[in-house]
Amino acid sequence: DPKIIQKPKYLVAVTGSEKILICEQYLGHNAMYWYRQSAKKPLEFMFSYSYQKLMDNQTASSRFQPQSSKKNHLDLQITALKPDDSATYFCASSQQGTDTEVFFGKGTRLTVV
Amino acid sequence: GDKVKQSPSALSLQEGTNSALRCNFSIAATTVQWFLQNPRGSLINLFYLVPGTKENGRLKSAFDSKESYSTLHIRDAQLEDSGTYFCATSNNRIFFGDGTQLVVKP
Repeated sequence: DPKIIQKPKYLVAVTGSEKILICEQYLGHNAMYWYRQSAKKPLEFMFSYSYQKLMDNQTASSRFQPQSSKKNHLDLQITALKPDDSATYFCASSQQGTDTEVFFGKGTRLTVV
Repeated sequence: GDKVKQSPSALSLQEGTNSALRCNFSIAATTVQWFLQNPRGSLINLFYLVPGTKENGRLKSAFDSKESYSTLHIRDAQLEDSGTYFCATSNNRIFFGDGTQLVVKP
């Protein structure tokens, strides 16, 4: 019974288009994160949110915009998609910031053609 | 990552044998997490540690914050242990190592 739900599981997008990756957590956590993992590479931190406020942003491109409509939601909007954006995007959450245990969703595998 | 160094980068084990993975930290680490990324890509929580040790079945992990390292011991390796093991530590942000790719062979 997954507690962090990511939708969709797989996504194919055309170069130049815009997509939204959905993440909802049902762990009652206050902090949420996005990570990216390109093929056969380690996890790369993108964003962290705490109580729906942006705490840390390590994504250089403004094409990536997190959106938090509720405390347990942190969606990721990606505009003007490029083939280099192809990766698996993982959403994660923790109770209170990075010193508490972090749990990951199963990821959205994005392919940009 | 440059703040978390994992070793070895790859490991092949015969089923039933033991081994240890290591993480060295170049930043002040207060907590450590170990994850297994299985062949389907899911990240499974193995351990969350403050300084000390924890054991769960055939897995045991230790974290020494003074010496800035953590270890993950696998005892009696099984085929289902195959995957990539990541350690991570927090210092205002979570930093991941590059992972150890483990293959357990029959």
